[in-house]
Amino acid sequence: DAGVIQSPRHEVTEMGQEVTLRCKPISGHNSLFWYRQTMMRGLELLIYFNNNVPIDDSGMPEDRFSAKMPNASFSTLKIQPSEPRDSAVYFCASRGGTGPQYFGPGTRLTVL
Amino acid sequence: DQQVKQNSPSLSVQEGRISILNCDYTNSMFDYFLWYKKYPAEGPTFLISISSIKDKNEDGRFTVFLNKSAKHLSLHIVPSQPGDSAVYFCAASGEGTYKYIFGTGTRLKVLA
Repeated sequence: DAGVIQSPRHEVTEMGQEVTLRCKPISGHNSLFWYRQTMMRGLELLIYFNNNVPIDDSGMPEDRFSAKMPNASFSTLKIQPSEPRDSAVYFCASRGGTGPQYFGPGTRLTVL
Repeated sequence: DQQVKQNSPSLSVQEGRISILNCDYTNSMFDYFLWYKKYPAEGPTFLISISSIKDKNEDGRFTVFLNKSAKHLSLHIVPSQPGDSAVYFCAASGEGTYKYIFGTGTRLKVLA
């Protein structure tokens, strides 16, 4: 079975550009999570969707960040405009019912 | 204030010996705990979990112990193998909640 799929795996962009990260959760999972990992803050939850509906976006750092889940098999995390401090690894995870969260391979974002 | 703490940033163990990774938490409302393993350039991989109604859970070479009175959990790996070399994260959540609070990780190196 395919796990969580994320694209791109690496993204290098210049400050001020728009960045879109993509995630395909595990088929049948009804919860989706976006995380950010940095050396300073570790793994932090950005936003949580349940049945395609955003439930908790309190971790989204500011209005430059937005996330959507138009259907059960696709989600995006967008940063516009991007800043150097957004450089991090972004993970998507999905979960079925009350089971554990399963993580994708991550997108390493570098903003110059 | 960190609610989940992994006080040892690194640990080295000889192949074949036991690896013991520790995790402390402060929130008594946490009732579900997990361990994830992370290799470089990959996402965290779910290893094993335990709910607060148990004090031990085993899966092959991996055993998690929970001491609720001490607010402490540990992961035992027996016997340790070089392929176990990775960063290990513990995570905790409260009953019926989706939010995992992650520790900062312990880097395990198993020496051949």
